[in-house]
Amino acid sequence: KNQVEQSPQSLIILEGKNCTLQCNYTVSPFSNLRWYKQDTGRGPVSLTIMTFSENTKSNGRYTATLDADTKQSSLHITASQLSDSASYICVVSDRGSTLGRLYFGRGTQLTVWP
Amino acid sequence: EADIYQTPRYLVIGTGKKITLECSQTMGHDKMYWYQQDPGMELHLIHYSYGVNSTEKGDLSSESTVSRIRTEHFPLTLESARPSHTSQYLCASSEDRHAGQETQYFGPGTRLLVL
Repeated sequence: KNQVEQSPQSLIILEGKNCTLQCNYTVSPFSNLRWYKQDTGRGPVSLTIMTFSENTKSNGRYTATLDADTKQSSLHITASQLSDSASYICVVSDRGSTLGRLYFGRGTQLTVWP
Repeated sequence: EADIYQTPRYLVIGTGKKITLECSQTMGHDKMYWYQQDPGMELHLIHYSYGVNSTEKGDLSSESTVSRIRTEHFPLTLESARPSHTSQYLCASSEDRHAGQETQYFGPGTRLLVL
């Protein structure tokens, strides 16, 4: 069964600190992995996308890594800001169907305190 | 920021009422999607469309229906709302690339509460 598991479920950090969010998946055949940021009451916004051959991708203070062998990904946030408070969702796409189905994790709820 | 819009943003309605959730995008995307998301849970695909006059049901069974008469418009309708329909509904669209390669752009969502 194709699944995407994220940890931790929630995380509280102080402003300025770094943090790392984890994503494990069993989706096969793998196409790509995305990290989305979802602010409360808003739709998800894409942060990064990585294919099988990529093992790191940065977008400002966000750096995603991918280990396709162990089927693990992480999202590292550097020098956190209050505006980073949101849910971070790991999304894995397969290439075994014409739709390119997306498998969503439940997200990690990050809260940044001043 | 993606040009995809949803109305209303919030809706409180009584059981048995008919409702339509609107979704429009100005990016010219052929593919559009409806997801349902409960608090703290993952998004579930309930409907999708490859283009005008094309609609398909998603992974999660839903009593809602959709239509795609125009490329930019993908409304979702509930003929008779029930409390079990209380949820957040997210609309998305994507450009036409190889399956799985396209990025989906999401609207702000509609939070529905059925009393």
